[in-house]
Amino acid sequence: AQRVTQPEKLLSVFKGAPVELKCNYSYSGSPELFWYVQYSRQRLQLLLRHISRESIKGFTADLNKGETSFHLKKPFAQEEDSAMYYCALRKGGPGANNLFFGTGTRLTVIP
Amino acid sequence: EAGVVQSPRYKIIEKKQPVAFWCNPISGHNTLYWYRQNLGQGPELLIRYENEEAVDDSQLPKDRFSAERLKGVDSTLKIQPAELGDSAVYLCASSLDGRASGSTEAFFGQGTRLTVV
Repeated sequence: AQRVTQPEKLLSVFKGAPVELKCNYSYSGSPELFWYVQYSRQRLQLLLRHISRESIKGFTADLNKGETSFHLKKPFAQEEDSAMYYCALRKGGPGANNLFFGTGTRLTVIP
Repeated sequence: EAGVVQSPRYKIIEKKQPVAFWCNPISGHNTLYWYRQNLGQGPELLIRYENEEAVDDSQLPKDRFSAERLKGVDSTLKIQPAELGDSAVYLCASSLDGRASGSTEAFFGQGTRLTVV
């Protein structure tokens, strides 16, 4: 069975400091990994996905199959990054469309 | 574009009463999901539709929960009777054809916060 683990419920960093939100997964196949973000009073929205290998709002995430991790990183945190972050996994292959979420990490960027 | 629309935003009911949630997905999105999010947890899938067909309802507590998507567009999720443990945020999401290979983004609604007292 698949599982997504986010070990930190809360994470606080100072503005300008680097930030890393951890995500580990367990799945025997080749998954697709995502990071979703929820800002205060807003809906859950996609931040980035591993297959795009892109940087969104300064955030990047690399899929490490050896360590089964998909940590989210940003070199210099901004106050507007304060939000709830969820790592999510989708099983690979056609028809496998369910998203499985971790429990989330609340990031607070201290001015 | 309004995105995925859910109503109501909030609902307070007494236990043993019925309750229903409504979702209007993004136009053209074939795949519709209902998730439940308990306090301090991530969203958990209840049911997924491809058009009007429920292709995965394995996590739906079928003794009290039911869902429908009759014309493959709007969907309703019902709980009857509600229990105290059903208090949660119920999220609806939609995406393009989920049966196609490759990644398709899921767009979420604002959710319905249910409180059972």
